[in-house]
Amino acid sequence: EAQVTQNPRYLITVTGKKLTVTCSQNMNHEYMSWYRQDPGLGLRQIYYSMNVEVTDKGDVPEGYKVSRKEKRNFPLILESPSPNQTSLYFCASSLAAQNTEAFFGQGTRLTVV
Amino acid sequence: QKEVEQNSGPLSVPEGAIASLNCTYSDRGSQSFFWYRQYSGKSPELIMFIYSNGDKEDGRFTAQLNKASQYVSLLIRDSQPSDSATYLCAGPGYSTLTFGKGTMLLVSP
Repeated sequence: EAQVTQNPRYLITVTGKKLTVTCSQNMNHEYMSWYRQDPGLGLRQIYYSMNVEVTDKGDVPEGYKVSRKEKRNFPLILESPSPNQTSLYFCASSLAAQNTEAFFGQGTRLTVV
Repeated sequence: QKEVEQNSGPLSVPEGAIASLNCTYSDRGSQSFFWYRQYSGKSPELIMFIYSNGDKEDGRFTAQLNKASQYVSLLIRDSQPSDSATYLCAGPGYSTLTFGKGTMLLVSP
């Protein structure tokens, strides 16, 4: 089954404790991205990747890191999480950056206390 | 900046009515648009995509694209309570897909 898998689904952590949210897709997609979604603000892109070893900032990259060492994986790293990073996070993948359907992971609800 | 705008709603319609959701975009060169449905706390799922001017129908859903007026719409016929969700419009940005903030649809029994 074609899918984008995120883990964990839920995470509660403390301020400053490094964490990684994993994302993996099995569709051989070139393009992957991370979004956060907050009430009233919609989906905001954090980082995206056009291909292996190619990543770029989205609209709200501060406080986040990503890597794309393999085509299928695109982890999101929070080196020192803060409460304002409490949000619902989605990973997405697609064949190309535009004009193609984006497939979303199940989401990760992160709470930073 | 390439933008996609939607009314946040909520749009309330009775069961069986037609729900009309609208989206405007800033870039005249945009070629394709996508409508996603998102239930609360869940991930967005694709309902329709449209590349050409005019209408595209799929079951109870019709997407309309008017490039001259720079708007995209989604019509849902015979609305059901299960259609209650937030509908996201997406179009091309500079290097990625750009999403509107979504319109919440409430269908009352």
